[in-house]
Amino acid sequence: AQSVTQPDIHITVSEGASLELRCNYSYGATPYLFWYVQSPGQGLQLLLKYFSGDTLVQGIKGFEAEFKRSQSSFNLRKPSVHWSDAAEYFCAVAPGGFQKLVFGTGTRLLVSP
Amino acid sequence: NAGVTQTPKFQVLKTGQSMTLQCAQDMNHNSMYWYRQDPGMGLRLIYYSASEGTTDKGEVPNGYNVSRLNKREFSLRLESAAPSQTSVYFCASSGGQGPYTEAFFGQGTRLTVV
Repeated sequence: AQSVTQPDIHITVSEGASLELRCNYSYGATPYLFWYVQSPGQGLQLLLKYFSGDTLVQGIKGFEAEFKRSQSSFNLRKPSVHWSDAAEYFCAVAPGGFQKLVFGTGTRLLVSP
Repeated sequence: NAGVTQTPKFQVLKTGQSMTLQCAQDMNHNSMYWYRQDPGMGLRLIYYSASEGTTDKGEVPNGYNVSRLNKREFSLRLESAAPSQTSVYFCASSGGQGPYTEAFFGQGTRLTVV
């Protein structure tokens, strides 16, 4: 069965420091990959997505993610974190282009002054 | 542009009561979904509708029913609520034609079953 693993439940980063959130998926072919962000009490907002082509994708709010087929990974990065980035981040997979999204368990980002 | 609208935003039910969560989208999307979010478990798909007139089970369908009333609306019904159904419920929609397109989410319904 398809699965998505986000190994870090919580991450604390100092404001201005760089960030990398890890995501690994289990699927035979290359799925469609997404990162969503959820602020407290809010719905989910799409940060970026990968369908095909260039393996480094740019998203909103200065985020980027790199697809590495050999590692079955799609890690999210940001060079300099702002306090407003504190939120929960979800990696998701749509296997084979079908519409059913499979989500990871999420990583909660805390930003320290 | 409202996007995906869910009602109600909060609800408290007693065990055994029934209720319907409403969801409507104004983006002319074909596909609609219901997810539940529980701490430490991410979002899990309850039911989805790939197009008007069709519905299918997701990962955790037990205890729920759905109705795709028309292209805009997709409701989730709890016939006999149980404490295990205490959760935050999200409705989402996507274009659904050809390659997968991104899903847009509503603001969620926080349901407590006592």
